[in-house]
Amino acid sequence: EIVLTQSPGTLSLSPGERATLSCRASQTISNSYLAWYQQKPGQAPRLVISAASSRVTGIPDRFTGSGSGTDFTLTITRLEPEDIAVYYCQHYGGAPPTFGQGTKVEVK
Amino acid sequence: QVQLQESGPGLVKPSETLSLTCNVSGASINSHYWSWIRQSPGKGLEWIGYIYYTGSTNYRPSLKSRVTISIDTSKKHFSLKLSSVTAADTAVYFCARGGDGYNFLRFDYWGQGTLVTVSS
Repeated sequence: EIVLTQSPGTLSLSPGERATLSCRASQTISNSYLAWYQQKPGQAPRLVISAASSRVTGIPDRFTGSGSGTDFTLTITRLEPEDIAVYYCQHYGGAPPTFGQGTKVEVK
Repeated sequence: QVQLQESGPGLVKPSETLSLTCNVSGASINSHYWSWIRQSPGKGLEWIGYIYYTGSTNYRPSLKSRVTISIDTSKKHFSLKLSSVTAADTAVYFCARGGDGYNFLRFDYWGQGTLVTVSS
């Protein structure tokens, strides 16, 4: 089973600042089968990035995914109030798919 | 648009069986893989297993002995049964649809989730 470790645990930023979220895998993720989800309180996770860097339809272009192999990054340029949420990375290259423990993005 | 809705008891006694159903609307259930995922404070997001419309299943190894996922294509729903539950099975349970093709373990659509508490 691939273990995903996200850092930092919490990111405290002001609106307009840049958020950089990290996801490190315990082994290489093939074909960049790495997704990022956004979860707001009381809601289900929402897919924002697939294949490490492909933005899902409807997701603003301030969200950018990058990385390959074992190291992946989600960047939110110019943080907006509606971006406040917990973000999870997930590998989906094989069973069982696993999730990171999440990074909480909060307003400073 | 694709919508999934979980239903089932919110309280289950220890050692009993947790049963949930996910109703699918806005899409054919005769395609894609359909998964159950749970979320608890202690274990975060945890994939439980999936089913394909043919009835083919795959379960998380650590839960395999207690999990059964089934599908009823005529009723457009799929179900989860988790036996011999303990407090550790207390979680919000989500149903989700897998992505297209090889992306079937990426979850493109989710239900809103239902909290199941295991307590006597």
